[in-house]
Amino acid sequence: IQMTQSPSSVSASVGDRVTITCRASQGINSWLAWYQQKPGKAPKVLIYAASSLQSGVPSRFSGSGSGTDFTLTISSLQPEDFATYYCQQANSFPRTFGQGTKLQIK
Amino acid sequence: QVQLQESGPGLVKPSETLSLTCTVSGGSISRYYWSWIRQPPGKGLEWIGYISYSGSTNYNPSLKSRVTISVDTSKNQFSLNLSSVTAADTAVYYCARDYYDDSGSFLYFDYWGQGTLVTVSS
Repeated sequence: IQMTQSPSSVSASVGDRVTITCRASQGINSWLAWYQQKPGKAPKVLIYAASSLQSGVPSRFSGSGSGTDFTLTISSLQPEDFATYYCQQANSFPRTFGQGTKLQIK
Repeated sequence: QVQLQESGPGLVKPSETLSLTCTVSGGSISRYYWSWIRQPPGKGLEWIGYISYSGSTNYNPSLKSRVTISVDTSKNQFSLNLSSVTAADTAVYYCARDYYDDSGSFLYFDYWGQGTLVTVSS
């Protein structure tokens, strides 16, 4: 299953609302996770099952969608949110990731 | 707190075999599934494959002919062998734990190692 994210990069300011989309090449129900990765670090899960917030993750992060189209929304950007975000389908093998969306400071 | 640590050579020659080990501490390797994931410099994430504590495996078809993942429960370790490497295999290699819900459905990778850069070059 191919996962396609858009945009590939986005520039935004602290306090902005940002939405990243992820499209699966075939239906995956709600079997989707979102990760945040900072330079030199391993990815960290933010959202699983499309809309469930991982414990300890700030509530400004939210996820939605099912089937083939999904979104990750950050309601009010904080300085620590500037990173690269990946979606990953958990529906079938091989497990696949989107190509990433780099969130940069405007 | 579960911790994972990758170890192995940082430089491998073309056509040789890349070998890495992931040591799990702070928890048992039993009752879980464990994956290898890689990330070429400046690029995205690619799942290589997984192994269960009992030794069952599943590999990415794109690498299947060259990959072997094994587990040593006595040492709380699992390992990756990737044969016939080329420059395209240069990447940061991560080990990670697969997290499943109570019904046995895979949800996400919950614990990750810090990653180790392996460069393929003569």
